[in-house]
Amino acid sequence: NAGVTQTPKFQVLKTGQSMTLQCAQDMNHNSMYWYRQDPGMGLRLIYYSASEGTTDKGEVPNGYNVSRLNKREFSLRLESAAPSQTSVYFCASSVGGNLETQYFGPGTRLLVL
Amino acid sequence: GNSVTQMEGPVTLSEEAFLTINCTYTATGYPSLFWYVQYPGEGLQLLLKATKADDKGSNKGFEATYRKETTSFHLEKGSVQVSDSAVYFCALKTSYDKVIFGPGTSLSVIP
Repeated sequence: NAGVTQTPKFQVLKTGQSMTLQCAQDMNHNSMYWYRQDPGMGLRLIYYSASEGTTDKGEVPNGYNVSRLNKREFSLRLESAAPSQTSVYFCASSVGGNLETQYFGPGTRLLVL
Repeated sequence: GNSVTQMEGPVTLSEEAFLTINCTYTATGYPSLFWYVQYPGEGLQLLLKATKADDKGSNKGFEATYRKETTSFHLEKGSVQVSDSAVYFCALKTSYDKVIFGPGTSLSVIP
């Protein structure tokens, strides 16, 4: 049981380049989330998907787009990367509804030059 | 709005010392409260949780009690080990909201 997987593990981009971060879960969870983690700021929610076919903005959605491709996969796209998007990105999933425990992937470390 | 405040680290303790990491919250309604742990190079893992006032969550020797009167959920462990070195996040969730995380507290345990 792999849980939540993320690719890539590490990426370096130049300002203005685009990329997609991939996330997949094999726990049949309904809800999926993208967070960014920055020093001293904890985790901030970028986007989430309460169920297949739906997505909603979180606390810091600007500069990002998401796609809930199917129940398993939830991707995060940076259309034009900026140095302010240098961060560690975590994908998470949960059963959904009012069951709160989230399961996290190992993270993607992104450096934008 | 809803928020979580926790003591900022880093916290450095000797092995077998007593650990307390303070967490207080502001929330409307009756939130569920959580402690997550992040080991170096890994994602967050749920450590323990409590869903109503006076509940005590416990796991791996860690405990936290949901105190509604003081809006607190402090994490404690009686005797820390080197393997407990990690970043600890306090978090809350209300019925119709997403999980809100505190800034994290880094713990280093030295032999």
